[in-house]
Amino acid sequence: QQPVQSPQAVILREGEDAVINCSSSKALYSVHWYRQKHGEAPVFLMILLKGGEQKGHEKISASFNEKKQQSSLYLTASQLSYSGTYFCGTEMEEDTDKLIFGTGTRLQVFP
Amino acid sequence: ETGVTQTPRHLVMGMTNKKSLKCEQHLGHNAMYWYKQSAKKPLELMFVYSLEERVENNSVPSRFSPECPNSSHLFLHLHTLQPEDSALYLCASSQDRFHSQYNEQFFGPGTRLTVL
Repeated sequence: QQPVQSPQAVILREGEDAVINCSSSKALYSVHWYRQKHGEAPVFLMILLKGGEQKGHEKISASFNEKKQQSSLYLTASQLSYSGTYFCGTEMEEDTDKLIFGTGTRLQVFP
Repeated sequence: ETGVTQTPRHLVMGMTNKKSLKCEQHLGHNAMYWYKQSAKKPLELMFVYSLEERVENNSVPSRFSPECPNSSHLFLHLHTLQPEDSALYLCASSQDRFHSQYNEQFFGPGTRLTVL
């Protein structure tokens, strides 16, 4: 039931792009994305609902592929402030009202 | 105070102690959550309260006892904990429970718990 995130870690130079994937073996109703910087609380990025559109947040956007039960988070022209651990949380169609988080993807952006 | 606050920020306790974690949200939200975050493990949902009623108990051992006296406050009472319970305990709130595109969760800074 726990979603699988890939890759586990990403190292980037400023200005480079990255894609983080979140996959589930179950049919999903929604996917939530959060970022957590070291020593801080997770911060909400966006929610994608089944049948919804791709969403964007500055240079960070995400899509939801219902056929593959997968969501992808796109980070474009990365900035130093993008460093942190990115978590996806999934809400399954068969069991809504429960958000299950993946193990996270650690992203480090260097100058 | 704004957002979600948690006290204490750090707690060290013995296995026979009884302590409580406190969470307060100043956002007017109706739902509150307790999560456990251990090293190299995903965030684990422990409890969900909606309008002060517990709606989810995610197979959490009885040594963890939640309390929600009103929609702004959430407690986690701890007793006879084990060393493996050492972790960061995060509180969060949202406007309503899940199943909505408006249900972003706001997290508090967490309580770092160490059980000796």
